[in-house]
Amino acid sequence: DAGVIQSPRHEVTEMGQEVTLRCKPISGHDYLFWYRQTMMRGLELLIYFNNNVPIDDSGMPEDRFSAKMPNASFSTLKIQPSEPRDSAVYFCASSPVPKGPSYEQYFGPGTRLTVT
Amino acid sequence: SQQGEEDPQALSIQEGENATMNCSYKTSINNLQWYRQNSGRGLVHLILIRSNEREKHSGRLRVTLDTSKKSSSLLITASRAADTASYFCATDKLGTEGAQKLVFGQGTRLTINP
Repeated sequence: DAGVIQSPRHEVTEMGQEVTLRCKPISGHDYLFWYRQTMMRGLELLIYFNNNVPIDDSGMPEDRFSAKMPNASFSTLKIQPSEPRDSAVYFCASSPVPKGPSYEQYFGPGTRLTVT
Repeated sequence: SQQGEEDPQALSIQEGENATMNCSYKTSINNLQWYRQNSGRGLVHLILIRSNEREKHSGRLRVTLDTSKKSSSLLITASRAADTASYFCATDKLGTEGAQKLVFGQGTRLTINP
């Protein structure tokens, strides 16, 4: 399996522009997570889906952020309009339904977003 | 808010030495996991310890859990240059609901000097 795939790997955009980050989870995984990582705040969970349905979006910073999962193999995280403080590395992760209590998550390589 | 807090924030040791990192958390948990992140990469799962376990081993890794103190430690024995990375603990909420929602600590940056 190719693992979790994210695109683009790097994105540089100007303030006010729309940014769309993409994620393909591991086939067969029921859970998909979006995280943001910054030096100041560490790794923060933004939103997660179960079987394509958003379960908890309490980490989404504000209305400028939205996430969708139209099918089991694709998810997007959109920022509109983008601001310099959105600059961070955004990770997508997926996990299968565990056979035991384990919810081991598999992370993608991340998208480094820079908003100027 | 972040539940897990690691210490030290940074650790630098010589190759071959053992490295110990600690994690403290605030609320009751189902499980505690440790992840590694190499520079510029995503996190990779290392080991999971359940709340009813006290110690677990995996290769050169040894994890302990003290639920009374709400703390865990990760020991890497006989360190190698390839162990240079950041290490994060991650906890979930007690109970079935929410167990898949992990809260990560700030991480320990480990440097192994050749």
